[in-house]
Amino acid sequence: QVQLVESGGGFVKPGGSLRVSCEVSGFMFNDYFMSWIRQAPGKGLEWVAYISRDGSTIYYTDSVKGRFTISRDNTKNSLHLQMNSLRDEDTAVYYCARHGAINDYFDSWGPGTLLTVSS
Amino acid sequence: EIVMTQSPATLSVSLGERVTLSCRASQSVTTNLAWYQQKPGQAPRLLISGASTRATGIPARFSGSGSATEFTLTISNLQSEDFAIYYCQQYNDWPPYTFGQGTKLEIK
Repeated sequence: QVQLVESGGGFVKPGGSLRVSCEVSGFMFNDYFMSWIRQAPGKGLEWVAYISRDGSTIYYTDSVKGRFTISRDNTKNSLHLQMNSLRDEDTAVYYCARHGAINDYFDSWGPGTLLTVSS
Repeated sequence: EIVMTQSPATLSVSLGERVTLSCRASQSVTTNLAWYQQKPGQAPRLLISGASTRATGIPARFSGSGSATEFTLTISNLQSEDFAIYYCQQYNDWPPYTFGQGTKLEIK
């Protein structure tokens, strides 16, 4: 069955860095586009970053451009988000999500990993 | 950027009732619209894609309709497990993919 499991969340001071990862199983990882989506405490959902099947096409939401880097390793069925220059407003649960096979809704999600940025 | 607006923010309903949630896009998204359900402490779950196609395993009491800028999610015969937050999302014009702010369904 399709499974996505994030890891790597934690507590970081403003200006710090952290890398979160998502291990997937139960499907052909290199057949799917992937995204990171975040949710600040008590808030709604915000798409953060997208990566194509082979990693050649990447997009970011404006607020993280130049600070976050999405990547994937298709040999290890893993997705990553390197986050630098972290700010208080980056505090959120970070979800990895699989895009639908034929369109860009998100058909599978991991349980999420919490990043807290605070001094 | 396409702005998605959901209404109402909160809806209080009773078990067994039928409820309609609304989602409006700031410009046409054709039928590239998805609905998600999120329960406390859980990840969102896809309910509807293509404005009206139920995802695998989603009960028939969930139905979606609409096109262009106006969309609705209707839940018939509300069950206890349906009380959650519902989000709409457009995937017609991206990046960015954008979500509505959510509608919270509460038990009356």
